[in-house]
Amino acid sequence: QLVLTQSPSASASLGASVKLTCTLSSGHSSYAIAWHQQQPEKGPRYLMKLNSDGSHWKGDGIPDRFSGSSSGAERYLTISSLQSEDEADYYCQTWGTGIQVFGGGTKLTVL
Amino acid sequence: EVQLVESGGGVVQPGGSLRLSCAASGFTFSSYAMSWVRQAPGKGLEWVSGISVGGGSTNYADSVKGRFTISRDNSKNTLYLQLSSLRAEDTAVYYCAKVIPEYPSAMVGVHDIWGQGTMVTVSS
Repeated sequence: QLVLTQSPSASASLGASVKLTCTLSSGHSSYAIAWHQQQPEKGPRYLMKLNSDGSHWKGDGIPDRFSGSSSGAERYLTISSLQSEDEADYYCQTWGTGIQVFGGGTKLTVL
Repeated sequence: EVQLVESGGGVVQPGGSLRLSCAASGFTFSSYAMSWVRQAPGKGLEWVSGISVGGGSTNYADSVKGRFTISRDNSKNTLYLQLSSLRAEDTAVYYCAKVIPEYPSAMVGVHDIWGQGTMVTVSS
């Protein structure tokens, strides 16, 4: 079964960096994912597509502070030089035959 | 500007029906698969349904299969979701999203454009 697992919460200080993790279920380590950001009371916003080899393609207007990387079944979103507006929920998303799957989301708090 | 605007949400009694619409602009709507994704209050994102470019192929999450129907009118650049036999657990904000297909003709892939959502509340 295709499942994405995310830690429920993360925190980091203003100006620091943070690395969020999304883990693919067993047997699906070659899958690409997408990262999305959802700021409070807003709709989701596409950040990037991330392949298993770490290559990634960002959406229009996404700052260079956002980057992606991969290792095995894990997909990472790194945000550097954290700003207050980065405080949001972050979701990973993948897809299989006829289905789309979302992780449970990580709530990022900027201290 | 690329934009998706949902409408049609509201309060409906259990067992009732509702039709949601999603108006697309700023891109060639007829060239992309589309999805509906929902978010219950305080919860995460849940994919609900997807539809192919021409509308001939559709997929549904098990939680809504047999109760919801996705469709599209490419002449009107509009995506629809017919909700029937509604339950309290269907209460959520419903988003439409444009899909960048993983391969040509695929219905699945990255959701690169999202609407602002429309709220559906199922309550007596």
